[in-house]
Amino acid sequence: GQQLNQSPQSMFIQEGEDVSMNCTSSSIFNTWLWYKQDPGEGPVLLIALYKAGELTSNGRLTAQFGITRKDSFLNISASIPSDVGIYFCAGRGNDYKLSFGAGTTVTVRA
Amino acid sequence: EAGVVQSPRYKIIEKKQPVAFWCNPISGHNTLYWYLQNLGQGPELLIRYENEEAVDDSQLPKDRFSAERLKGVDSTLKIQPAELGDSAVYLCASSLAGFEQFFGPGTRLTVL
Repeated sequence: GQQLNQSPQSMFIQEGEDVSMNCTSSSIFNTWLWYKQDPGEGPVLLIALYKAGELTSNGRLTAQFGITRKDSFLNISASIPSDVGIYFCAGRGNDYKLSFGAGTTVTVRA
Repeated sequence: EAGVVQSPRYKIIEKKQPVAFWCNPISGHNTLYWYLQNLGQGPELLIRYENEEAVDDSQLPKDRFSAERLKGVDSTLKIQPAELGDSAVYLCASSLAGFEQFFGPGTRLTVL
């Protein structure tokens, strides 16, 4: 299946910093999802976006569905050590099939 | 509510051996997915079931991979024979119809 372009590939951040990552696609999606995966575990759903332009928050996480329906971004505010992990974006078109990005690895410096 | 259950969590086999993975979805979820995740990559769909019917198996390498979901609940994914390149994490996910997918912890396969 197609892969989305997710950036950055990795980031080192200072505890307390705000961070941002984004995802772009050549295809239009009806749904954008953001997952977090810890080592040895499966991806856990963080935020789901269903409408172009939608801005949704979940605690310190905020995500937006791009107006073109071809992109999305995720912000983490006031990073803490447990934010370490790999963040995946995923897009879904009309066929219920999810296409995933390659992930952004986040490491927090205490 | 119990999440998606997968077993085993880890499996080490020699090449050319068969291997099987088991998944029990969240209760009531009629749609079940098997994904392959290579190191440093996002999950890639292998097969999707709606109840007991495989509705999308276009990405499943059918020469060596097979799957079943006989009663529309739990599912088994099999590889026979395994090759070195099959080393990866095999993830199972489930959803209620086409809504959000919830993933299990995965089975990490190492083929020697």
